[in-house]
Amino acid sequence: DVKVTQSSRYLVKRTGEKVFLECVQDMDHENMFWYRQDPGLGLRLIYFSYDVKMKEKGDIPEGYSVSREKKERFSLILESASTNQTSMYLCASSSEGVGLKSSYEQYFGPGTRLTVT
Amino acid sequence: GEDVEQSLFLSVREGDSSVINCTYTDSSSTYLYWYKQEPGAGLQLLTYIFSNMDMKQDQRLTVLLNKKDKHLSLRIADTQTGDSAIYFCAEIGSNTGKLIFGQGTTLQVKP
Repeated sequence: DVKVTQSSRYLVKRTGEKVFLECVQDMDHENMFWYRQDPGLGLRLIYFSYDVKMKEKGDIPEGYSVSREKKERFSLILESASTNQTSMYLCASSSEGVGLKSSYEQYFGPGTRLTVT
Repeated sequence: GEDVEQSLFLSVREGDSSVINCTYTDSSSTYLYWYKQEPGAGLQLLTYIFSNMDMKQDQRLTVLLNKKDKHLSLRIADTQTGDSAIYFCAEIGSNTGKLIFGQGTTLQVKP
């Protein structure tokens, strides 16, 4: 069964802290994605990766970075958390397509609800 | 640019049909998707339709695609309380190859 797991379901951090959100998939997928979900805005793509050590900026990369050292793991890093980064963060993976065409059927993790105070 | 629009809320009675609508701007989209998000969970692919199709039926779900009007709809027959969720419409942006999501429609099913 397809599985994408995220390290925490709920996280509370202080402004200025460095925050790591971890995502692991067990499907040997090449492509992995980080989104944030906000009410009324849908999902917005932060970063994606179509191979180990490869990363591409999404629509809202400012304030974030990512790391993909192993195929199964994709980390989202908030270098200095701010209150406007309070949100639900969703990780996804997919196996079809390469590079820009890497968005076909995506499998999502349960999400991490991050609160920055 | 690439954009997907949905209404934010729909309320129906159990047993009725639900119709969730979506409009998109990219006429070159190859695939259009419906994802479901249950409370406290991630998104799950519900169904998809290829752009050369007008309709796709899968048990209680019917997807209709009007390419001329760039309109996509999801019909759920005999809606159950377990169908209460947020439904996201998404398209593959032909320029970017990325999934473009709508804002999500919260479906409330009243007993």
